[in-house]
Amino acid sequence: DAKTTQPNSMESNEEEPVHLPCNHSTISGTDYIHWYRQLPSQGPEYVIHGLTSNVNNRMASLAIAEDRKSSTLILHRATLRDAAVYYCILRDGRGSQGNLIFGKGTKLSVKP
Amino acid sequence: GAVVSQHPSRVICKSGTSVKIECRSLDFQATTMFWYRQFPKQSLMLMATSNEGSKATYEQGVEKDKFLINHASLTLSTLTVTSAHPEDSSFYICSATRGDRAEAFFGQGTRLTVV
Repeated sequence: DAKTTQPNSMESNEEEPVHLPCNHSTISGTDYIHWYRQLPSQGPEYVIHGLTSNVNNRMASLAIAEDRKSSTLILHRATLRDAAVYYCILRDGRGSQGNLIFGKGTKLSVKP
Repeated sequence: GAVVSQHPSRVICKSGTSVKIECRSLDFQATTMFWYRQFPKQSLMLMATSNEGSKATYEQGVEKDKFLINHASLTLSTLTVTSAHPEDSSFYICSATRGDRAEAFFGQGTRLTVV
């Protein structure tokens, strides 16, 4: 599986935007970029995913570099409830049943 | 939506006993479910992939005789930790996928403590 690299931790202030980077230089043409987050003592939660174009949903935005070797998850206004570990994962889109291989993720802290 | 429910959320058992954890997809049929284990301050580690009606596929280093997985229906997979020992204490998480959706849906996790 293609690997992703994320910073171990990041800090943000409440109500400010947060940009969480992810590098995936060995991404293949069929890999989708998925983001999940895990709040303390809970199972992961889907955030967003994309292939080539930037994506927006009610939770976040995903900006994908033109060469697809990096992406950025954008939380437009961080809240205290956004404090979590954020995982950037590549998933082969050729099969919808492929498993997710988790890296270490980025631990986001949000200060009031 | 797509909801995955895991039960129990917490369990404490004595060393040497077996514990069963259930994972249910409440509003969709999941042909494939996945089981993960997470130790404190670590990431999720995939243990096995469970397909309905067939034997589970275990990741390298995961003992299939110790972690019994059964996927008897399209909405239920179970993980049984047999002859549990304190080192099996961990956070166990299941996930399920739908054929028409790219994302995976996770249960809330089960905190297992073996004393």
